[in-house]
Order: sequence, then structure tokens, then C-alpha cells
Amino acid sequence: AQTVTQSQPEMSVQEAETVTLSCTYDTSESDYYLFWYKQPPSRQMILVIRQEAYKQQNATENRFSVNFQKAAKSFSLKISDSQLGDAAMYFCASKPQGAQKLVFGQGTRLTINP
Amino acid sequence: DSGVTQTPKHLITATGQRVTLRCSPRSGDLSVYWYQQSLDQGLQFLIQYYNGEERAKGNILERFSAQQFPDLHSELNLSSLELGDSALYFCASSSRQSATNEKLFFGSGTQLSVL
Repeated sequence: AQTVTQSQPEMSVQEAETVTLSCTYDTSESDYYLFWYKQPPSRQMILVIRQEAYKQQNATENRFSVNFQKAAKSFSLKISDSQLGDAAMYFCASKPQGAQKLVFGQGTRLTINP
Repeated sequence: DSGVTQTPKHLITATGQRVTLRCSPRSGDLSVYWYQQSLDQGLQFLIQYYNGEERAKGNILERFSAQQFPDLHSELNLSSLELGDSALYFCASSSRQSATNEKLFFGSGTQLSVL
């Protein structure tokens, strides 16, 4: 079974600074996918970024990038130039190829200090 | 706005009761997923339907059931409700059977409170 662990229940960062959220996972699958989702106070789950495990290149979406370390089973999210609108719960998730369900971590609450 | 519509947004009921949560996926999406988000269990996958057929089942209790109708909307039925069923229930949709290469679009959820 897959497990996802987010060891930081809460993080805070100054506006315009950079913050990194940690995520580790455990899987016996060779092909899988990793995701970061954002849940703002509106409660909606929004996909921030995704990474295919077979790709060595780290995914990037504007100010959001990941550091994917396959051997270490680590998948951290870096947010550059933090903005007030980035304040939210962030969930790391994994999904084996061919499986239907996402397995989520417990989440990290990110606070942006003005 | 994700295009996924969930109703109602809030639901308050008593133990032992039965409720129905409704989800309308994005136009054209064939897959519907149900997730439960609670403080103690976090986000858990419940069940997936694809074009009217059940495709995958997760940690869904026997007291819970779901279906997807010909117009592709889905309903999650929760019966014999217990206090521990209080949670935020999400519906998500995607256009393919697997969410691998497609974005999973989540609705805003139905907050269920069992008193």
C-alpha cells in the first residue's frame, strides 16, 4: 500500500520569500504519479503541480516547483515569491499508474505573513 | 470555479438518519470520484464511477453507497449515520477513466454534520 507523509503540520513565510514544503512517500510500485494540491479557505481542492515518477526532470508551474528525489522517495514543493493568496492547506498525494485513487498526506497549513 | 457542482454545501442531520449528496461533474467528464475529508482520517478515497459503472472502491463503509446516472451526475448515499461520519465530502471528476494524465477537478464539497 502507498503511504504519504507530510511532517510539517504548519509552516509560515514572509510575503515575497521562498518556502519549501516537505513530503515523503512509500510505494512498491515502479510507475506512479505525485501531486501537490492546494486547499484554500474556500475548501476547494486545486491541483498545483504534478510529477510523473519516470521523469527525472522536476516539474515547474510558474512560482511552484518540486524537488523530486526518487531514491529517497521525497517530493518537496517550493513556492517562490510567496503571495498572500498562497495561504492554504497543501496536500501531497500519490497515485500508482493503473490505480484509480489518490493517496493523500495529512497536509501542511501554510501562512503568509505580510 | 472547477465546473464540478456539489449540493448541498452544508448538511446537518441526526444520528441514525440517511442523507444523499449530489454531484454534477464537469461537462463531458465521464469519471466521478468521491472522497471524504475528516480531521482524524484526513482525505480518503471512497469510490469511483466511470460512465455509470463502478470502477474502484476504497474505504467506503457498507452503510454508504453511490451511483452514477445516465446523465453522469452522481449521488452518494449515507445511511444509519453516526457522529464519526461528520466530514467534508468531495466529489471530483475527470474525463478519462484514470486520473493519471488528466487533471482531477474537485467540487467545493458538502460539509456533513451529524449531531
